Amino acid sequence: DTEVTQTPKHLVMGMTNKKSLKCEQHMGHRAMYWYKQKAKKPPELMFVYSYEKLSINESVPSRFSPECPNSSLLNLHLHALQPEDSALYLCASSQDDSSATNEKLFFGSGTQLSVL
Amino acid sequence: KQEVTQIPAALSVPEGENLVLNCSFTDSAIYNLQWFRQDPGKGLTSLLLIQSSQREQTSGRLNASLDKSSGRSTLYIAASQPGDSATYLCAVQGAQKLVFGQGTRLTINP
Repeated sequence: DTEVTQTPKHLVMGMTNKKSLKCEQHMGHRAMYWYKQKAKKPPELMFVYSYEKLSINESVPSRFSPECPNSSLLNLHLHALQPEDSALYLCASSQDDSSATNEKLFFGSGTQLSVL
Repeated sequence: KQEVTQIPAALSVPEGENLVLNCSFTDSAIYNLQWFRQDPGKGLTSLLLIQSSQREQTSGRLNASLDKSSGRSTLYIAASQPGDSATYLCAVQGAQKLVFGQGTRLTINP
């Protein structure tokens, strides 16, 4: 199994809603990532989890709250989002987030989020 | 701060042509360089990964080269097909994170 599975595929939410994005992988990877991608732009790193611990937070607003319940699961909790937060949210995983030179990233197909 | 640039931003060619996509980066202290493919509204698929000590990698009709000293990489696609139409992104892995270029939007015309 070389898949990273993200749910839901699409999400529409109001600015007062609370919702969660989910990501799952069963490749035994110990590093998991959240990226945000606006239309026609490259992905931007939001968070990195390494061995279930948050290792990088790219100064993301607190209305985005990541959670890693176990080594296979990664959640992104959303609360009080703004319309400008509408984007494709991508989850990725890799064997390790160390400085190994052959760390290939595996991406999920993303959640297309619209904030009204 | 690492910056990654891809030229051209968009490319349209007839089916069957060989083509080259370019990627340049400003900081040569990288661990690896990866080429990804992205279809509209979808996730990224890793195509090739070149470690910093390597010069090139090949997979089927794809060949990627890396010249770390000059901060350049190319992705060569042989005998292009309509199914190759997608956005191609290069990304360089540094000590902290992967930095992406803006991508090249490729269209292969039947």
